[in-house]
Amino acid sequence: GQNIDQPTEMTATEGAIVQINCTYQTSGFNGLFWYQQHAGEAPTFLSYNVLDGLEEKGRFSSFLSRSKGYSYLLLKELQMKDSASYLCAVRERNFNKFYFGSGTKLNVKP
Amino acid sequence: ETGVTQTPRHLVMGMTNKKSLKCEQHLGHNAMYWYKQSAKKPLELMFVYSLEERVENNSVPSRFSPECPNSSHLFLHLHTLQPEDSALYLCASSQGRRGNEQFFGPGTRLTVL
Repeated sequence: GQNIDQPTEMTATEGAIVQINCTYQTSGFNGLFWYQQHAGEAPTFLSYNVLDGLEEKGRFSSFLSRSKGYSYLLLKELQMKDSASYLCAVRERNFNKFYFGSGTKLNVKP
Repeated sequence: ETGVTQTPRHLVMGMTNKKSLKCEQHLGHNAMYWYKQSAKKPLELMFVYSLEERVENNSVPSRFSPECPNSSHLFLHLHTLQPEDSALYLCASSQGRRGNEQFFGPGTRLTVL
């Protein structure tokens, strides 16, 4: 199995930058994913890392360190619509098995 | 719209009922998944169907029974459920080994009385 940890809740100000951390322990790592989930809606894919380093995608960036079992999602120029839960998920060596963290609820305030 | 549809969107059932959840994907994917999402808990993978294999989470009770008649359709048959099974049930699909992301359906909100 997997052990995936992320903070339960964070608050940030509109226009600011926020970093959401995720740590994991896995018996066989094959990729880390970040999803966004607005209340009452399905998760939607944000980013994917399988090699160490930073992946940038517009206002969103995701970082991975496999040796440390650590990832973060960086959100820049926060907007009110970024208020959502952010889910960290690890795929194990079996390509079709995914394990999710409990999610970090991000509150963006004016 | 993600290309993954689920019906019904809401379901209320008694503990002695039998019901089925349906999922359909229009993306040409070859892997489909059932997840359970309970309040303040991680998304829990229940079942996976892909070209290569069917994967089960051994902690899922036998009162949940999946069926995948083809690569576009996935069912979750429910029988004699318990109140603690009340949750959001999400279906997802991906392109198996070549795909990096899963596309989720809107979910079925299940309440067991």
